[in-house]
Amino acid sequence: SQQGEEDPQALSIQEGENATMNCSYKTSINNLQWYRQNSGRGLVHLILIRSNEREKHSGRLRVTLDTSKKSSSLLITASRAADTASYFCATHTGNQFYFGTGTSLTVIP
Amino acid sequence: GAVVSQHPSWVICKSGTSVKIECRSLDFQATTMFWYRQFPKQSLMLMATSNEGSKATYEQGVEKDKFLINHASLTLSTLTVTSAHPEDSSFYICSARGGGLNYEQYFGPGTRLTVT
Repeated sequence: SQQGEEDPQALSIQEGENATMNCSYKTSINNLQWYRQNSGRGLVHLILIRSNEREKHSGRLRVTLDTSKKSSSLLITASRAADTASYFCATHTGNQFYFGTGTSLTVIP
Repeated sequence: GAVVSQHPSWVICKSGTSVKIECRSLDFQATTMFWYRQFPKQSLMLMATSNEGSKATYEQGVEKDKFLINHASLTLSTLTVTSAHPEDSSFYICSARGGGLNYEQYFGPGTRLTVT
């Protein structure tokens, strides 16, 4: 399977803490993207990082990419209860687009 | 920003019937559309990739005769689940991508299918 893997599968933190999620993938990629999904809803695109980039920031989000290790991480700083959701990485290779297994984040107010 | 819609947002059908789900790109031309299936508390699994005007490419294990995909125009793709079974009950999500170097995909809100 081309599907990437994320860890942890579930993460529970207190509001204000930082949350870090990791994604590992198997093949070379054009880019890697992170998405958020609230329960039973569609996906919201968070950030895209290209294969020649190592780090990218967007607001409270920080994404890193290590192509030598085929891994990426998503850091959410100063978490809020509204950040509670599932987070998925997705790798783009050619015309293929595969999602990771996801991390379920719960931020406790 | 780019908007992708899906219709219906939810549908209940009886076993053995067929159901069609539409995916539309509202403000851009989608050269490629993707169909995903998501079971509860699981990730999205790519079912097939379709390019406008050509046959869809199905992922391994996805029955092309059961999940019919048509991408007849640059703004519309349809997924028809034929002879539906209860195990086809799932959340189906489409995404659309424009041409050129814009790799970003835009996702529809999903369609909840329940087969009774």
